[in-house]
Amino acid sequence: NAGVTQTPKFQVLKTGQSMTLQCAQDMNHNSMYWYRQDPGMGLRLIYYSASEGTTDKGEVPNGYNVSRLNKREFSLRLESAAPSQTSVYFCASSELRLSTDTQYFGPGTRLTVL
Amino acid sequence: AQSVSQHNHHVILSEAASLELGCNYSYGGTVNLFWYVQYPGQHLQLLLKYFSGDPLVKGIKGFEAEFIKSKFSFNLRKPSVQWSDTAEYFCAVNEDTGFQKLVFGTGTRLLVSP
Repeated sequence: NAGVTQTPKFQVLKTGQSMTLQCAQDMNHNSMYWYRQDPGMGLRLIYYSASEGTTDKGEVPNGYNVSRLNKREFSLRLESAAPSQTSVYFCASSELRLSTDTQYFGPGTRLTVL
Repeated sequence: AQSVSQHNHHVILSEAASLELGCNYSYGGTVNLFWYVQYPGQHLQLLLKYFSGDPLVKGIKGFEAEFIKSKFSFNLRKPSVQWSDTAEYFCAVNEDTGFQKLVFGTGTRLLVSP
């Protein structure tokens, strides 16, 4: 039982390049989330998927797109990377999207945009 | 918009010292409260959570937190820290709307010296 996995662990991009961050969970959870973590700012929600087939914007969605490929997988795409997107990205999942649910996090992807 | 404040950004303690990390939130309605921890090299994981009942909640590894509604606070405590408690601690708050939309604090880095 791997929990939540993310690939890649590290990535360096040049401004304007695109890439997709992958996330998968094996806990049969319905809801999945993407966060970014910046120094001094905590974790901020980018997008979430309450259930398979649905996605919604979070607090900081600009410059990102997501795809809920199936129940297990939720990817985050940067179409044209900017230095402001340098951050650590975390994927998380929860059984449902109830306000009392525990979220389970992946190990993170450290992205640098030059 | 709701906000979460963790006033201590860095805390350094010796083993066996007592720990209290502050967390205050701005929302005036009913909330669900969480403390997550990230040990070095590990995933962010749940330490404890409160959503109803006894305002003093106990979590893993001897941690506890007290919800004081009148002070909008959910401080984390441990009577005697160990070197293995070295980690980053995040407070998170969710309005009790029935849906999950966590707002995280900026985190507190705890270093416990042996």
